[in-house]
Amino acid sequence: QVQIQQWGAGLLKPSETLSLTCTVFGGSFSGYSWSWIRQPPGKGLEWIGEIHHSGNTNYNPSLESRVTISADTSKEQFSLKVTSVTAADTALYYCAREDGGFSDWGRGTLVTVSS
Amino acid sequence: QSVLTQAPSASATPGQSVTISCSGSSSNIGSNYVYWYQQLPGTAPKLLIYRNNYRPSGVPDRFSGSKSGTSASLAISGLRSEDEADYYCAAWDDSLSGRVFGGGTKLTVL
Repeated sequence: QVQIQQWGAGLLKPSETLSLTCTVFGGSFSGYSWSWIRQPPGKGLEWIGEIHHSGNTNYNPSLESRVTISADTSKEQFSLKVTSVTAADTALYYCAREDGGFSDWGRGTLVTVSS
Repeated sequence: QSVLTQAPSASATPGQSVTISCSGSSSNIGSNYVYWYQQLPGTAPKLLIYRNNYRPSGVPDRFSGSKSGTSASLAISGLRSEDEADYYCAAWDDSLSGRVFGGGTKLTVL
């Protein structure tokens, strides 16, 4: 059973960089794609981007200029960075494993951007 | 504005059936698999249907998915109070080279 633990700073000021990391437990890191998804308060889900086991990445075009997703396979971790955050980036951020759908999710990290 | 379109709400009484629809285009639903997620209040989404109509282990057969052209549907039969949740459809979009979600449908079990 895969478990995903996520962490990162929950309160940021405008223009700062959001940084979150997920660690995968259960020995199932290689061979899968890993995504970041966010959900603004009271709103729906928005896919941010993904990193494949090959290291290739795909990003949501609306966020691509500010987003970087990376992975450290030796630590079975993957990370998200979003630069120049604004209040519009306030959301619950989830990481998830893609295995024919997002089959396993982290519990979410609430990130609030406020001056 | 979501790429995939869902009605914002639906409702039915216990024991009844309900269908939640998801409308897209040729670049997403029309040419790729559709996935459905259930999000109970205060929890992370859960995969309900994958590759249009397959259920992960543990998902009751009361839940079923279908796809036709550029639209997809999630049907829930024998509604229970615990089915009250937000439901999201998702697919890969070839034009955007990325994954897209519907805006979500809030199901109320009256």
